Amino acid sequence: EVQVLESGGGLVQPGGSLRLSCAASGFTFSSYAINWVRQAPGKGLEWVSTISGSGGITYYADSVKGRFTISRDNSKNTVYLQVNSLRAEDTAVYYCAKDIVGALSGGLDVWGQGTTVTVS
Amino acid sequence: QYVLTQPPSASGTPGQRVTISCSGSSSNIGSNYVYWYQQLPGTAPKLLIYRNNQRPSGVPDRFSGSKSGTSASLAISGLRSEDEADYYCAACEDSLSGVVFGGGTKLTVL
Repeated sequence: EVQVLESGGGLVQPGGSLRLSCAASGFTFSSYAINWVRQAPGKGLEWVSTISGSGGITYYADSVKGRFTISRDNSKNTVYLQVNSLRAEDTAVYYCAKDIVGALSGGLDVWGQGTTVTVS
Repeated sequence: QYVLTQPPSASGTPGQRVTISCSGSSSNIGSNYVYWYQQLPGTAPKLLIYRNNQRPSGVPDRFSGSKSGTSASLAISGLRSEDEADYYCAACEDSLSGVVFGGGTKLTVL
């Protein structure tokens, strides 16, 4: 079964850091880009970051650029999102999602259940 | 706010056909594929339509997508109670080198 599973969320004080993980299984991991999308309480979806299948290309939303870093370890089928200098407005459920291709596309066909980050 | 514009709400009765619009610009919808997602209450989003009008396996053919210029639409025919959910459009945004979502449309089945 194709799936992704997030972990690493939690309660953190403003200015703090967390490392979110996304463990994947059931597909050729290095062939697909992986995305992070977040959803603040009661709000819509917000794209956060994407890393290409090879890991050589990364993309960030302006709202997180310079504070968040996405990386991947293709030997472990895992993507990481290092989130630093957290602000109250970063409070959200963070979803990991597999892309339909190896690069940025907007087409996210496999989603995890999400991990909650609360900044307070 | 959101780069892609969707109506905040839509409604219909069982069996009816409803459409949800998504308006963008030349730098997103106008030059890239459009994707649609369904988010049932308390669950993760699900890909409903990819590359403007393609359905992933398992998505009923009651759902269809279209695109014209800088706008796109999601149509749901034969509306069912289980279609009650939030629907989001998305596309790549050339000026940001990223992905943009619409604000979402809450569909109510009356």
